[in-house]
Formats: sequence, C-alpha cells, structure tokens
Amino acid sequence: SAVISQKPSRDICQRGTSLTIQCQVDSQVTMMFWYRQQPGQSLTLIATANQGSEATYESGFVIDKFPISRPNLTFSTLTVSNMSPEDSSIYLCSVPWGAQYGYTFGSGTRLTVV
Amino acid sequence: GENVEQHPSTLSVQEGDSAVIKCTYSDSASNYFPWYKQELGKRPQLIIDIRSNVGEKKDQRIAVTLNKTAKHFSLHITETQPEDSAVYFCAVSFSRGGADGLTFGKGTHLIIQP
Repeated sequence: SAVISQKPSRDICQRGTSLTIQCQVDSQVTMMFWYRQQPGQSLTLIATANQGSEATYESGFVIDKFPISRPNLTFSTLTVSNMSPEDSSIYLCSVPWGAQYGYTFGSGTRLTVV
Repeated sequence: GENVEQHPSTLSVQEGDSAVIKCTYSDSASNYFPWYKQELGKRPQLIIDIRSNVGEKKDQRIAVTLNKTAKHFSLHITETQPEDSAVYFCAVSFSRGGADGLTFGKGTHLIIQP
C-alpha cells in the first residue's frame, strides 16, 4: 500500500495562531482526504484535496478555517487557522490505494491548542 | 448526507469467544464498506473490507457480512485474543464517482477479558 509521511506528529499551539500540516505520499494519487478525530471520538471527513482545483469541503467545514493546498499528486497541506481550544484534535490525511479502493491513513498530527 | 450507526459502543467478551459488531447506513448508493482497527495512539488500520457486489468476505478469524437490502453490515471476530482489544470503526464510502471519502461509525471499544 501507499506510504504516507505526515508532519508534524504533534504540536502545542497558542490560540489565535495557525498550524500547517503536511502530507507526503510515496506515489501519485488522484485524491487525498483530510480527517479530524476529536479526543475519544470517531473520524470526520474535513475535505477532499483535488490536484489542480479547489478542495471540496464537507458540511460544517469552511475554507477560511481549513485552507488546503494540493500542488501536485504526491503532496497536500491542511492549515488550521485562528485556532481555539476546540480545534484540539488529531488530524489525519488519507489516500485511496489502487483499484481496490482501500484507504491508507497517515500517522496523524496531534494538535493541542492552549 | 450519509448516516452510519454502529453498535454496540462497548463490547466485552471472554478470550476465545466471538465478537460481532454491526453497522447500518442510510445511502443505498454506497458501495464500499471497510472496517478499521485503531489501537491507542495509533492510526486506523484497515482489517477487512467488502464491496456491494459481495455478500460475505472472510480473512482467517475475521469476516464481514453485508445485507444491501437491509443496509447493514457486520464484523465477526472468532476465537478472540487479547491483541484484538482495540477500537473498531466501520465506514461507508458514498458514491460520487471515483474514489470518495469515508463516513465513519462512532466506534466500538472491544475488550477481550482473559
């Protein structure tokens, strides 16, 4: 399956600041997805990062808060903007792998906002 | 949008016994149904998946069954072992063409009692 490198692995940030999370895949993929996992909760899809076009956001998530870049088929970034303690979560990127449509996840970024 | 219900939220079984976790979904167009295992502090790992043209799939001690008419699918783990203790998530892919993001259930905390 695809190997995904995600960084940073964790960070503690001051409220009001922004953090950019990077996701690098070892092969070209059409779609990349960003998820949020709040403490003790399930995973929620934030957006789909499309190469060459704007990201597609799910209900409840907006571009101003979670801007996404997708400059090529192996890389994407998610920025968490103007952070508040409610943004404290694990953020994960994910890619579908091959015709089998299995999804592989990055190791996640554990964000704590203080 | 898609709605995925997962039950039970916690399941405690004796080592060696079987465990069954069930999920229901709302969108009849959904066509991909994976199960993920997440250990504490780690990323979700795909353990088995099934597609809408198959009713059952088995991989050693793990099996998944799908009832498209009733819109539910289940994870079956036989001969449970201590290392099976984890949180299990079902997920559904909603069809918008190509590879689409996943909608997750809320998770089941599986506890294997020695």
